[in-house]
Amino acid sequence: GDSVTQMEGPVTLSEEAFLTINCTYTATGYPSLFWYVQYPGEGLQLLLKATKADDKGSNKGFEATYRKETTSFHLEKGSVQVSDSAVYFCALGRYSGAGSYQLTFGKGTKLSVIP
Amino acid sequence: SQTIHQWPATLVQPVGSPLSLECTVEGTSNPNLYWYRQAAGRGLQLLFYSVGIGQISSEVPQNLSASRPQDRQFILSSKKLLLSDSGFYLCAWSGKTGDRGYGYTFGSGTRLTVV
Repeated sequence: GDSVTQMEGPVTLSEEAFLTINCTYTATGYPSLFWYVQYPGEGLQLLLKATKADDKGSNKGFEATYRKETTSFHLEKGSVQVSDSAVYFCALGRYSGAGSYQLTFGKGTKLSVIP
Repeated sequence: SQTIHQWPATLVQPVGSPLSLECTVEGTSNPNLYWYRQAAGRGLQLLFYSVGIGQISSEVPQNLSASRPQDRQFILSSKKLLLSDSGFYLCAWSGKTGDRGYGYTFGSGTRLTVV
């Protein structure tokens, strides 16, 4: 079945440092890939997405490229801010039978950015 | 625009008491609806999903049940809570076919503490 593996946290960075959170997946076919962000005490928000190979998703300075050859969707940001402190989830999505769209999530990576 | 509402935001309940968490979606029709649980320091666990009124699929056998009495209403229930039911419960919705790549939209979550 589908699975998503993302780097274990927590990750602690200084403000303005470069961020990479690794995400790899196992799936058949051509799923869509997502990054979600969860700020403390809140639900998940969609950060960015890519629906086919070589697509690059971007939002709020974050980027991730759908690499089918390496089955990866690594999240990057050139200069993190304290406000980026959150838990980041990588996810894979596809339609399953009976009209259901299923997301498979990684375990999440907690990012702490210190001033 | 579509919105998703989830309540209550926080809940403290004694062991053995009943539970009812409610989720409603506005601005769309015939959505797929989902209940997830996030235990402290853990990833997301899919509990139930529904593709239509009265149609519930359970992903994990447990002390909880779900119902969908109306198109845009999804309820999570328990007759007798256990300590292990504590966690952060998230409701989400997604569209049907043709919505590929939009993933889920999550509610703001309910923090449940069973004491």
